[in-house]
Amino acid sequence: AIRMTQSPSSFSASTGDRVTITCRASQGISSYLAWYQQKPGKAPKLLIYAASTLQSGVPSRFSGSGSGTDFTLTISCLQSEDFATYYCQQYYSYPFTFGQGTRLEIK
Amino acid sequence: EVQLVESGGVVVQPGGSLRLSCAASGFTFDDYTMHWVRQAPGKGLEWVSLISWDGGSTYYADSVKGRFTISRDNSKNSLYLQMNSLRTEDTALYYCAILGGDRPFDYWGQGTLVTVSS
Repeated sequence: AIRMTQSPSSFSASTGDRVTITCRASQGISSYLAWYQQKPGKAPKLLIYAASTLQSGVPSRFSGSGSGTDFTLTISCLQSEDFATYYCQQYYSYPFTFGQGTRLEIK
Repeated sequence: EVQLVESGGVVVQPGGSLRLSCAASGFTFDDYTMHWVRQAPGKGLEWVSLISWDGGSTYYADSVKGRFTISRDNSKNSLYLQMNSLRTEDTALYYCAILGGDRPFDYWGQGTLVTVSS
């Protein structure tokens, strides 16, 4: 199975900050990568697919980049509603796998 | 409106069996591959299984292979997960989901809680 490793696992930031979360695949996955946001008690919400395509309705402050093994999710100007846990997920091969998550907390 | 509603989660003893169901509505069910994803309390997401639109192809996470069976009934717009030989580490919230992949059609239910405990 392809292992997905996110960094950092958690960190604190302030409203207005620019933040970047990294996801690394244990082998090349082309651009078959999605990013999800999950808030407590809620189901995950798709933010980005195909590594860099923004899901409809997702604010443009979210962006994704990368291909092969290294990917990033960037939030350009943090808003209060962005404090949540973020997961990357590869769909290049079965079994699909998620990263361990990055918890973004308010500083 | 797309809706995925899971049911069947209960408390079960280790070694026991359980069948989860997911009722789908608001979209053409037999057009889509369907997935189960789980989340242990306070932990991350773990993909569990998928089934192709016609049921002809199924895949499983190594952690459940040989113990869980995914199935679907397109005439009833329903997805199922038969869970056998349950272990304490199977305790989790189980989500029924359409994972869009390279398509923006991505939806999740609210989950059903399975607790494996003696």
